[in-house]
Amino acid sequence: GEDVEQSLFLSVREGDSSVINCTYTDSSSTYLYWYKQEPGAGLQLLTYIFSNMDMKQDQRLTVLLNKKDKHLSLRIADTQTGDSAIYFCAEKLTDSWGKFQFGAGTQVVVTP
Amino acid sequence: EAGVAQSPRYKIIEKRQSVAFWCNPISGHATLYWYQQILGQGPKLLIQFQNNGVVDDSQLPKDRFSAERLKGVDSTLKIQPAKLEDSAVYLCASSYAGNTIYFGEGSWLTVV
Repeated sequence: GEDVEQSLFLSVREGDSSVINCTYTDSSSTYLYWYKQEPGAGLQLLTYIFSNMDMKQDQRLTVLLNKKDKHLSLRIADTQTGDSAIYFCAEKLTDSWGKFQFGAGTQVVVTP
Repeated sequence: EAGVAQSPRYKIIEKRQSVAFWCNPISGHATLYWYQQILGQGPKLLIQFQNNGVVDDSQLPKDRFSAERLKGVDSTLKIQPAKLEDSAVYLCASSYAGNTIYFGEGSWLTVV
């Protein structure tokens, strides 16, 4: 398909782990990203992974990349109420100018 | 380091009126992007500048939208005349080397 696909909604209890999944389109994408958007704000870069890596860990965030299936996931350990936001998966396409393509976003709601 | 600056943050206009949004990228970032984000969707690229030249404007509705980046720094996005379906958040982003893009807080447009 031509779209970056994500599930629309995830509800998680405070203190649990969250896993957000994404399927991207370009098997040659060199960089894959996770952005966070809080209400009324722009997109904040959370983390990114280079395509020659399988995993990247950054404090509470773990990114897993399965290139064969073009699947990207973001795990948030010990989820807090401040993690409630919309999370966007994005890929850098291998066209001439490296266009970024975004998914529709996964809304994560953290309940006490 | 200052982030991407955008103004105005919020704008309400009537259909058929015009509106302009301004963006100042992160200092030294040669690439500047304008994205449109409709509620419930991911950002969609409208136009990408490299310095003061346009490298991708394939998704820009050129009958009503225009953008310029004079002197390769600030940029302005204009809509004239506005339609109801232009209600969205207009996100400006910039990049130094094209591998990571940083977003501003967005300009929220409501067309009534």
